[in-house]
Amino acid sequence: DGGITQSPKYLFRKEGQNVTLSCEQNLNHDAMYWYRQDPGQGLRLIYYSQIVNDFQKGDIAEGYSVSREKKESFPLTVTSAQKNPTAFYLCASQGTSVGEKLFFGSGTQLSVL
Amino acid sequence: QQQVKQSPQSLIVQKGGISIINCAYENTAFDYFPWYQQFPGKGPALLIAIRPDVSEKKEGRFTISFNKSAKQFSLHIMDSQPGDSATYFCAARTGYSTLTFGKGTMLLVSP
Repeated sequence: DGGITQSPKYLFRKEGQNVTLSCEQNLNHDAMYWYRQDPGQGLRLIYYSQIVNDFQKGDIAEGYSVSREKKESFPLTVTSAQKNPTAFYLCASQGTSVGEKLFFGSGTQLSVL
Repeated sequence: QQQVKQSPQSLIVQKGGISIINCAYENTAFDYFPWYQQFPGKGPALLIAIRPDVSEKKEGRFTISFNKSAKQFSLHIMDSQPGDSATYFCAARTGYSTLTFGKGTMLLVSP
């Protein structure tokens, strides 16, 4: 089945700890995205990548880092600099043809211990 | 200029009724307006989308109405069912830009 796999489903972070959220897609999409979802805040863009080895900051990149070493993988690290990391994190991917729709994974809920 | 304003924040509709969610935008360069549906604990999924060259698009019980002059678009869910209870997001983008999302509407359809 083609799709986007996010893992883990739930993640807990201790104070001062970096944690990494995994995102893998087998849709052969060039573009991948990370969004943060907070209740009542909609979806806010953290980082995106339109091609391997290249990525751009979104609206709320501070305290996060990403890498794009492979087309199918776009991991997100929530660093200790992110002081309010509790949120639902969504990974998405999209082909680069005009009109391509955005596909989302099923999300990772990150909570602070 | 990149904002998309969505209302209402929450909505309760009786089974069989019409659910209406509205969005407004400022950026006249937006040329693609999708609606996403999200169930609890899941990622959003594309429901229906429209481009500004048409004023309405219908897919089953779901209809997008688009008013270019007012810079508004809305989602209508006819004959709303309990299974439609979810959070709905409108969005917009220009060309190959990233999507700008509204803040979402939580819809509850009561049996």
